[in-house]
Amino acid sequence: KNQVEQSPQSLIILEGKNCTLQCNYTVSPFSNLRWYKQDTGRGPVSLTIMTFSENTKSNGRYTATLDADTKQSSLHITASQLSDSASYICVVSAAGNNRKLIWGLGTSLAVNP
Amino acid sequence: DSGVTQTPKHLITATGQRVTLRCSPRSGDLSVYWYQQSLDQGLQFLIQYYNGEERAKGNILERFSAQQFPDLHSELNLSSLELGDSALYFCASSASSGSNQPQHFGDGTRLSIL
Repeated sequence: KNQVEQSPQSLIILEGKNCTLQCNYTVSPFSNLRWYKQDTGRGPVSLTIMTFSENTKSNGRYTATLDADTKQSSLHITASQLSDSASYICVVSAAGNNRKLIWGLGTSLAVNP
Repeated sequence: DSGVTQTPKHLITATGQRVTLRCSPRSGDLSVYWYQQSLDQGLQFLIQYYNGEERAKGNILERFSAQQFPDLHSELNLSSLELGDSALYFCASSASSGSNQPQHFGDGTRLSIL
């Protein structure tokens, strides 16, 4: 069964600190993996999209990594800011005619002053 | 601003009623997706349209239907509403139907069933 699991479920850090969010998936065949940021009450915003051949991709203070062999991805946030408080969602796209997006439940991040 | 417009922002109605949610995609985008997000739940994919044609179907109930019009805007129709239909409904758009395309989301319609 195609699944995307994220950990931790929630995380609290102090402003200025770094953090890493994890995503494990069992989607096969694999097409790409995306990270989205969703502020409370708003629509998700795309942070990165990585295909099978990409190991890392950055978007400002956000860096995503992908290990297609172990089917794991991480999102690293550097020098966190209060505005980073949001839900971070890992989404995996299946390849082939299906091409479904399988959404994780997200990690809720709170950055405190 | 994602460029995706959803109306109305809020909708309050009663059980058994029917509502229509509207989405205008980003300029130039041909694909439209509909999602449901219940309280503290992940996004559930409902349906995708590409250039007026249904492209993919997710966990969409038979009471729900959607369409994409020639001007590419889309509507999601929800009928015989139940309390459990209370949720945020998001529309997203992408340039094509390709799976490598980022989806751009609107800010959703919050539906409350009383």
